Amino acid sequence: ETGVTQTPRHLVMGMTNKKSLKCEQHLGHNAMYWYKQSAKKPLELMFVYSLEERVENNSVPSRFSPECPNSSHLFLHLHTLQPEDSALYLCASSQDRAGRTEAFFGQGTRLTVV
Amino acid sequence: AQSVTQPDIHITVSEGASLELRCNYSYGATPYLFWYVQSPGQGLQLLLKYFSGDTLVQGIKGFEAEFKRSQSSFNLRKPSVHWSDAAEYFCAVAAGASGGSYIPTFGRGTSLIVHP
Repeated sequence: ETGVTQTPRHLVMGMTNKKSLKCEQHLGHNAMYWYKQSAKKPLELMFVYSLEERVENNSVPSRFSPECPNSSHLFLHLHTLQPEDSALYLCASSQDRAGRTEAFFGQGTRLTVV
Repeated sequence: AQSVTQPDIHITVSEGASLELRCNYSYGATPYLFWYVQSPGQGLQLLLKYFSGDTLVQGIKGFEAEFKRSQSSFNLRKPSVHWSDAAEYFCAVAAGASGGSYIPTFGRGTSLIVHP
C-alpha cells in the first residue's frame, strides 16, 4: 500500500463510452500526476497538477480530460477513446517544490478500449 | 531540463548472481535520483533514493545504488539476485535543491529476467 489508490483497477470500454478514472491520496502531497504506460514504451507524462492547478499538459488529446477538485483527488475523464489508448494509466503524487520529490504511485488502471 | 538514460532494455541473470543496472542522467546541478521497480500489472514501487550526503544508498529488498557525480551515473546493484526480483526497473531524476522542475523524469526502463 503506497498511500495512492486508483479505481477501478481494470476497465473495458467501447469507443463511444464515457468513463472516469479516479485517484486518491492522503499523504498530504501537493502535486499529482497522470502517466500513461503502453506496452514497450516509456512512461508518458500526461498531466501534472500542483496545488489543484494544472501545471503541465503534454500535448494530450482532448478525449482525455483531467480534473483536480482538491489536493487529495484527481480524475481522468475519458470519452470517445481509440483502441491505441489501451494502456496502464498510473496516478502518482509527490510533495511540491518545497520538499523532497519522490513520487508515490498507485497500482494503476488497466484500460482496454474495444 | 533533466533527462535519464537506461542503456539496457533487457538484462538476464542467473539466480544468485550479482546484478548491476545502469542509469545515466543529464542535469546541470546535483539532482534527486530514484530507482523504482514495477512488477507486471502493478504500479511503481520506490526502491531507493538519493538526495544528498553519502553517495552509496541502501534500499529495500537488498538493493543499493551509488551516485557518481563525475560519471553522471546512479547504477543499481544487488549482490545476489532472487527469482522474485524479475521485474521492470526504472531510474528517475528530479531537480535538486537548486531549483528547476520537480517533476520526476523517468528512463525507459530495464527489464530484468532471472534464470533459475
